[in-house]
Amino acid sequence: GESVGLHLPTLSVQEGDNSIINCAYSNSASDYFIWYKQESGKGPQFIIDIRSNMDKRQGQRVTVLLNKTVKHLSLQIAATQPGDSAVYFCAEPGGYQKVTFGTGTKLQVIP
Amino acid sequence: DTGVSQDPRHKITKRGQNVTFRCDPISEHNRLYWYRQTLGQGPEFLTYFQNEAQLEKSRLLSDRFSAERPKGSFSTLEIQRTEQGDSAMYLCASSVGQTSSYNEQFFGPGTRLTVL
Repeated sequence: GESVGLHLPTLSVQEGDNSIINCAYSNSASDYFIWYKQESGKGPQFIIDIRSNMDKRQGQRVTVLLNKTVKHLSLQIAATQPGDSAVYFCAEPGGYQKVTFGTGTKLQVIP
Repeated sequence: DTGVSQDPRHKITKRGQNVTFRCDPISEHNRLYWYRQTLGQGPEFLTYFQNEAQLEKSRLLSDRFSAERPKGSFSTLEIQRTEQGDSAMYLCASSVGQTSSYNEQFFGPGTRLTVL
């Protein structure tokens, strides 16, 4: 079945630097991925999504890259700010609207 | 605040007691979901409602768990005879949609359950 997982549990980044959070998936038939941000004490919040017919998608300060050959996607955050400190999940919607989440990467922004 | 709301935000109970959580979705959202999140893990799907119909239940939802959405608006999640392993954050989400295509789910703040 489908599964998503992350390479690093914690990432520390200096404020102003760029952050890159990685995610691997196992199902080559997967065709849609979502990145969520979860701040302490809050539920996950949608950041950006990407479909398998795309390699790259950009949002405001965020870019998601999808490499279908190696089944890997990444979330890039430009000019990381203290407000970006959170846990980031890659996730995949499945049947019956069920979303399967990875373990998560905690991003710590150092002022 | 027009987002998803959950009540209570925190619940501490003794093993063996029953607990009930409430979720109020975003108005007009016909789809409602429950997830469970343990410390350091991503949320895990529990169940899904479209209007008042419960269309999908995870095998994580044992016989001690029951969810309802009687009028297609708010939902309740009840856990009977709580166990320490039930300690987790219980998240509710809602979305709007009619087709099988995925529609963005909006999450509430969660109810943190601690079973002593």
